[in-house]
Amino acid sequence: GQQLNQSPQSMFIQEGEDVSMNCTSSSIFNTWLWYKQDPGEGPVLLIALYKAGELTSNGRLTAQFGITRKDSFLNISASIPSDVGIYFCAGQKSGSEKLVFGKGTKLTVNP
Amino acid sequence: NAGVTQTPKFQVLKTGQSMTLQCAQDMNHNSMYWYRQDPGMGLRLIYYSASEGTTDKGEVPNGYNVSRLNKREFSLRLESAAPSQTSVYFCASSGQVYYNEQFFGPGTRLTVL
Repeated sequence: GQQLNQSPQSMFIQEGEDVSMNCTSSSIFNTWLWYKQDPGEGPVLLIALYKAGELTSNGRLTAQFGITRKDSFLNISASIPSDVGIYFCAGQKSGSEKLVFGKGTKLTVNP
Repeated sequence: NAGVTQTPKFQVLKTGQSMTLQCAQDMNHNSMYWYRQDPGMGLRLIYYSASEGTTDKGEVPNGYNVSRLNKREFSLRLESAAPSQTSVYFCASSGQVYYNEQFFGPGTRLTVL
């Protein structure tokens, strides 16, 4: 099945640093979503993007829908220990009920 | 609102045993989904139901069956469990307007020995 290419696989950063991660595909998507999963929990929706070029913020999180519609980016500013978790991107094609997920970026924040 | 609830939280089965994973949502959502999550594999869709009375296969349906019992409930059945079905199973739902925004349950951690 189709997968999105999400990078990096893992990140180890110091508290207070900014974080960037991205998701790419060879296919065009109409919607991009970013989820966070805490250990032992289900994924929680952070940001949804609906238009190419769209830039949306949610607190310290900012995500962008790439102009080519084949990629998306998530930035976290001034990281804190509770940002620890796995971040997943997901894309949806036009007319489809289904989401395609990336394999996740595991974030570790050192206090 | 409880959102999406799943039972049980944990389960250990022996090869060949059967079981049903239960999922319910109280958000009046039309669509419901079952995923499995394996280390390094992300989330893979097993089955989904776009509305009450309909179900469709996802990426990895073999070895599973589903039932959309009513609008609230969507169950996943393993008829004859295999060690390859050891995984964490997540149920999700989405509404009609923002149908691509899926909300997930807490998961069921299944081990098949």
